Amino acid sequence: DAGVIQSPRHEVTEMGQEVTLRCKPISGHNSLFWYRQTMMRGLELLIYFNNNVPIDDSGMPEDRFSAKMPNASFSTLKIQPSEPRDSAVYFCASSILPASYEQYFGPGTRLTVT
Amino acid sequence: AQSVSQHNHHVILSEAASLELGCNYSYGGTVNLFWYVQYPGQHLQLLLKYFSGDPLVKGIKGFEAEFIKSKFSFNLRKPSVQWSDTAEYFCAVSPIYSGAGSYQLTFGKGTKLSVIP
Repeated sequence: DAGVIQSPRHEVTEMGQEVTLRCKPISGHNSLFWYRQTMMRGLELLIYFNNNVPIDDSGMPEDRFSAKMPNASFSTLKIQPSEPRDSAVYFCASSILPASYEQYFGPGTRLTVT
Repeated sequence: AQSVSQHNHHVILSEAASLELGCNYSYGGTVNLFWYVQYPGQHLQLLLKYFSGDPLVKGIKGFEAEFIKSKFSFNLRKPSVQWSDTAEYFCAVSPIYSGAGSYQLTFGKGTKLSVIP
């Protein structure tokens, strides 16, 4: 059981660059969630997908952020252009809805924008 | 929208001490409640959950939590902590209603627990 897989684990980039974070949910799970964790704001939901369709993206901070889920086994979160205030740990989680509300989290990507 | 408050930012205990971490939520309807734990350098893991039934729920590693509906609280307890319990603990709530947000987890800001050997 591989769990939720995220890549890269660490990303350091310069302001203005494009950043792409990747997530592979647990096989058989039909829902995927992207979270951002910072010291100031804690853990915030950015967007979630159900059956590859974005259901609620009200947490996406601004147009610089976009997320896609082209198939059931892959999702990306893109930031373009990146800014220092985007520095955070980004977590991906997956779940089986509506059977279970339990979300399984990946190891996270620590993003540093200089 | 729902919100979750965790009263303590950082708790420091000696081994064998008892633990209680506070969690209160604001939401007028029915909710599912969760406690997640994040060990240093690791991802969030589910500690325990409450959906319905007995308001006292038991989780892994000797943790338990009690749902008190009248107080909108879901406090986490452990009778005797160990050094290995050093971690950050997050309370989360998911409202039960039909709609786009019904599967979302809203997290508290977390409580860091440091256990001194």
